[in-house]
Amino acid sequence: DAKTTQPPSMDCAEGRAANLPCNHSTISGNEYVYWYRQIHSQGPQYIIHGLKNNETNEMASLIITEDRKSSTLILPHATLRDTAVYYCIVRVRSGSNTGKLIFGQGTTLQVKP
Amino acid sequence: EAGVTQFPSHSVIEKGQTVTLRCDPISGHDNLYWYRRVMGKEIKFLLHFVKESKQDESGMPNNRFLAERTGGTYSTLKVQPAELEDSGVYFCASSQDAAPGRAKNIQYFGAGTRLSVL
Repeated sequence: DAKTTQPPSMDCAEGRAANLPCNHSTISGNEYVYWYRQIHSQGPQYIIHGLKNNETNEMASLIITEDRKSSTLILPHATLRDTAVYYCIVRVRSGSNTGKLIFGQGTTLQVKP
Repeated sequence: EAGVTQFPSHSVIEKGQTVTLRCDPISGHDNLYWYRRVMGKEIKFLLHFVKESKQDESGMPNNRFLAERTGGTYSTLKVQPAELEDSGVYFCASSQDAAPGRAKNIQYFGAGTRLSVL
């Protein structure tokens, strides 16, 4: 699976949009981009995933660049409860992949009042 | 719908003792995963069950760790004998499917078991 690079930490004001970047310059055409987050003392929580088109759900939006070498997770109106570590994960679409997730260091997002 | 449940939430044992962690996946999920985070490190994959079969156990650190999933329902992870470096948080996750991209592939995590080996 391709390696991802994320900034170690970010701050965001409550009510504003939080934009979390992820670099995955070695991504292959058959690899998906997944985002999970871990709120303190809880298990990782799925947020969103995409292949090449932008995606939106009730939690967030995922913007993937045309060359697919980077993506941005957008939390449109961050709240204090969105303070967490956010993980960008690239996963192979098929083949011998067993489905395991490979976590990096992630980005610690601090939402401030 | 009940989520992934893990027992116990916290376990404190002495070095050399045995501990068994349990995971109850979401009903109907054939795929069950174990992960762990040891102090200061990233969350690491341990192994993957498809029903009762071990699909991938490449992340198991050594033979002191034994995972089972009899009957393809709940799973146990036994550490025997426990060592100090085994301390950390052990997570279990489950999904309907394993192939990335489909909604059924989403892994849902439990809250984890915090293991402290003294």
